[in-house]
Amino acid sequence: GAGVSQSPSNKVTEKGKDVELRCDPISGHTALYWYRQSLGQGLEFLIYFQGNSAPDKSGLPSDRFSAERTGGSVSTLTIQRTQQEDSAVYLCASSLQTGNTGELFFGEGSRLTVL
Amino acid sequence: AQSVTQLGSHVSVSEGALVLLRCNYSSSVPPYLFWYVQYPNQGLQLLLKYTSAATLVKGINGFEAEFKKSETSFHLTKPSAHMSDAAEYFCAVSDSSNTGKLIFGQGTTLQVKP
Repeated sequence: GAGVSQSPSNKVTEKGKDVELRCDPISGHTALYWYRQSLGQGLEFLIYFQGNSAPDKSGLPSDRFSAERTGGSVSTLTIQRTQQEDSAVYLCASSLQTGNTGELFFGEGSRLTVL
Repeated sequence: AQSVTQLGSHVSVSEGALVLLRCNYSSSVPPYLFWYVQYPNQGLQLLLKYTSAATLVKGINGFEAEFKKSETSFHLTKPSAHMSDAAEYFCAVSDSSNTGKLIFGQGTTLQVKP
């Protein structure tokens, strides 16, 4: 596709269940980012992948959160034992260039609701 | 550490009026600054960016922003608001790690009244 694709667009789950959110970046983009957007909280950085380098996991809020990027393309964000405070929109972005001047291209997000 | 503060979580203007959305930043290195817009149920879209060239940056849809180092500000303006400008606007500063990671403000919701 032409843009960043995320699935599912909406996910409702029960507290304690595990969820997986998928991101398919723009073809050729080597950098991939996950952000979390909570109501009234702005965007919170979660994790960053660049090529084959070790990911920057500094934004992951707890060890229940993990992410992987297979083959330098598709990424999966996994939340184990979900809690109600995990309810948010999870946004994925990709970028063609490294460094600070490149544009991040965002997907439409995956809205997670934990009951 | 880098940070961004957006003054005013909600701004309401009349159609045709000036739009002014405020953003102040803190950065330990020369900053790269961005404004993104998010329409309902959509991802973020880049409006404009400052990367140390001209201090007055023009973006899409008639928006512009001016980098003022002395004021550590990067306010977003548009001379005449249109109904289609109603959206949430985010100011962001690049992280000092040179990874392209962005630090976002809390966002400002712009309402445009007819």
